[in-house]
Amino acid sequence: GAVVSQHPSWVICKSGTSVKIECRSLDFQATTMFWYRQFPKQSLMLMATSNEGSKATYEQGVEKDKFLINHASLTLSTLTVTSAHPEDSSFYICSAATGGRSLFFGSGTRLTVV
Amino acid sequence: SQQGEEDPQALSIQEGENATMNCSYKTSINNLQWYRQNSGRGLVHLILIRSNEREKHSGRLRVTLDTSKKSSSLLITASRAADTASYFCATHASSSSGGSYIPTFGRGTSLIVHP
Repeated sequence: GAVVSQHPSWVICKSGTSVKIECRSLDFQATTMFWYRQFPKQSLMLMATSNEGSKATYEQGVEKDKFLINHASLTLSTLTVTSAHPEDSSFYICSAATGGRSLFFGSGTRLTVV
Repeated sequence: SQQGEEDPQALSIQEGENATMNCSYKTSINNLQWYRQNSGRGLVHLILIRSNEREKHSGRLRVTLDTSKKSSSLLITASRAADTASYFCATHASSSSGGSYIPTFGRGTSLIVHP
């Protein structure tokens, strides 16, 4: 089956710094990737839809300037949490869609801002 | 709003028993997927069932899909303590604006299997 690699799996950063999370589709081209955020014991909430070569579409309530998404190629999308604060601490997960709209998920990134 | 809604939210059973979780959704879908998530870990894909399929098996897992009722069920037979995890269904459906398909998750079912 298709593989989506997400890196890093966990990261601890200081408040005010920026963190970049990568999402790669290893064996297929993903025209669309999705970024989710998950709070403890909660479901995954869609943050934004990332389309290769165009601007991401953000869900209501998600700050575009806080969560920068870049989808520069058909196999890579990045999420940058800018000027991170403790309230940004969360579990972030990406998924990638194949041409047939099947979805495959990364293993997630645990972000802790101290 | 959430597209998929799992039921029950929590399920506690003894090892060897079967566990059944349900998922309901609101709009038409292309496919429905079930995932497993261990506490603090990423999602593991369990099984995908397409909208034109009614039942699918994978090992001890059995998934059904009823598009007329907009519901799916996940059955884990002969459960083991290692099956303890949260289980989510995810649907791939069109957005509220009628545009591109976006995937949405239900709240999940927390399964505890007691040894």
